[in-house]
Amino acid sequence: DGGITQSPKYLFRKEGQNVTLSCEQNLNHDAMYWYRQDPGQGLRLIYYSQIVNDFQKGDIAEGYSVSREKKESFPLTVTSAQKNPTAFYLCASTVKMELYGYTFGSGTRLTVV
Amino acid sequence: GESVGLHLPTLSVQEGDNSIINCAYSNSASDYFIWYKQESGKGPQFIIDIRSNMDKRQGQRVTVLLNKTVKHLSLQIAATQPGDSAVYFCAEIGGSYIPTFGRGTSLIVHP
Repeated sequence: DGGITQSPKYLFRKEGQNVTLSCEQNLNHDAMYWYRQDPGQGLRLIYYSQIVNDFQKGDIAEGYSVSREKKESFPLTVTSAQKNPTAFYLCASTVKMELYGYTFGSGTRLTVV
Repeated sequence: GESVGLHLPTLSVQEGDNSIINCAYSNSASDYFIWYKQESGKGPQFIIDIRSNMDKRQGQRVTVLLNKTVKHLSLQIAATQPGDSAVYFCAEIGGSYIPTFGRGTSLIVHP
């Protein structure tokens, strides 16, 4: 079955550490996205990528970094510069940006300890 | 900036009742709207969508209504079931192709 796989489901980070969240899709989608979800708030866009080797900052990119070396993979690194990283992180993909059939992964819950 | 919001953060209904979840949007240029269902600890799932050239669209047990005059979107769920309990949120999309998501409404269905 095609879909998006996010791992791990739960992740704990110590102060000052960088952590990387994995997002893999086998849908052959060009566009991929990372969102952050906090309680009581809508999804906020961190980064997006329209095509391999290209990515753009979203609304809250500070403290995060991404790469898009393969079409299937769009990992997100939460750096130590992100002062409030505890949140639920969602990865999504679409065939192309201008086509709106978003498929979401099941999310990674990151907690700072 | 433009934003999408929901009128009610929590909606409690009895099993078998009809549910109505509302969403207000502010970007008059948005031309596509989507409703998502999100269960606890999971990613959002697509429910139904509607384009701005339509007023109503029906799916299985769900109906989306769009009132462009007052920039209002609603999701109606018929014969609500306990399995419908989740957070529902809307998204609007305009020329940038990047959706703006609402905060969500928690639907609680009592058996």
